[in-house]
Amino acid sequence: DAKTTQPTSMDCAEGRAANLPCNHSTISGNEYVYWYRQIHSQGPQYIIHGLKNNETNEMASLIITEDRKSSTLILPHATLRDTAVYYCIVRDSSASKIIFGSGTRLSIRP
Amino acid sequence: DGGITQSPKYLFRKEGQNVTLSCEQNLNHDAMYWYRQDPGQGLRLIYYSQIVNDFQKGDIAEGYSVSREKKESFPLTVTSAQKNPTAFYLCASSIGTGTLYNEQFFGPGTRLTVL
Repeated sequence: DAKTTQPTSMDCAEGRAANLPCNHSTISGNEYVYWYRQIHSQGPQYIIHGLKNNETNEMASLIITEDRKSSTLILPHATLRDTAVYYCIVRDSSASKIIFGSGTRLSIRP
Repeated sequence: DGGITQSPKYLFRKEGQNVTLSCEQNLNHDAMYWYRQDPGQGLRLIYYSQIVNDFQKGDIAEGYSVSREKKESFPLTVTSAQKNPTAFYLCASSIGTGTLYNEQFFGPGTRLTVL
């Protein structure tokens, strides 16, 4: 079973920041938080991951709470091309497999 | 360009026939994976391989078989024993399975329809 809980769907206006929450209250100390997204009928795409510090790359920022029980993926300036299903996943570095939940379907409105 | 490819994109088969889905990567990755995705659902792991000539069952391996004779290739056979084979099949690869930054890179997927 997936160890994360995400809202089923969200929407955001184009040009605004999209904030996608994820709860992972049972996360253990050696588990990382990963985010992937899947555009319709394509393979998932890696976005970002982190352990306990906030992370930023060219695609997004990841904010992890101090107790690590939840996190937020931030797309700073959402575009129509960001419409996708976003998956939040927890795994440790030695885990051989990823367990995907149902994700959050993000819709960007013009 | 380095990447992971799957062919064909769409595949139709009659019920009772075995079918093999292709997955090739030129990323020099050790680990490869097969997932199945049903409409509106997340991905479920079928099989994975950490190294050539070795593979392990995932969560839903029944009715499927794989081989890993070459590092760059990990074909999946959907056998007639798979009761509900119509789905979107995704192949992925990663540098390894025990490394720190082993995010998975996914292919474009094959949509299999059994008639």
